[in-house]
Amino acid sequence: DAKTTQPNSMESNEEEPVHLPCNHSTISGTDYIHWYRQLPSQGPEYVIHGLTSNVNNRMASLAIAEDRKSSTLILHRATLRDAAVYYCILSPYGKLIFGQGTELSVKP
Amino acid sequence: KAGVTQTPRYLIKTRGQQVTLSCSPISGHRSVSWYQQTPGQGLQFLFEYFSETQRNKGNFPGRFSGRQFSNSRSEMNVSTLELGDSALYLCASSDTSGRAYEQYFGPGTRLTVT
Repeated sequence: DAKTTQPNSMESNEEEPVHLPCNHSTISGTDYIHWYRQLPSQGPEYVIHGLTSNVNNRMASLAIAEDRKSSTLILHRATLRDAAVYYCILSPYGKLIFGQGTELSVKP
Repeated sequence: KAGVTQTPRYLIKTRGQQVTLSCSPISGHRSVSWYQQTPGQGLQFLFEYFSETQRNKGNFPGRFSGRQFSNSRSEMNVSTLELGDSALYLCASSDTSGRAYEQYFGPGTRLTVT
């Protein structure tokens, strides 16, 4: 299973954009890039996924590098509710292999 | 639609006992996956069932097993419990069999082994 590298923690101010990076230099051509987040005391929550092109949905945007060796999850305006652990996951199938993730804190 | 439900939410067992956890997926979802979450190891994939067949399996000993019923509900069983099995067990469901799809997680069952 391909590995991802994320910063352990990041801080953001409320209502500012947040860019969460993920490196995945060993990604294979069939790996999808998934992002999930886990709020305190809850199960993980799907955020977004993509293969090659940038993706947008109501929660976030996913920017994928041209060589696919890195990606960035973009939260356009952070709210206090976005404080969570964010996981970047590579998977060719539905099996999600979680790393340690990035703990995002949001300051009012 | 109702979300993924897991029962029981909390469970205390003694070493050596066995336990069965239950997961009801979102209506219409045919894939159910199970994960174990501990402070030391994080979230680890146990197995995935689709249409009553195990489709993927993680690196857990044979004491961990599961099954899926025709209505897509799933159970996982842990036999001969060890202290290290204390964890939050999460179930996730999905409505496709494709290569990439959203998984919807339940709130988990908190298992404590004493």
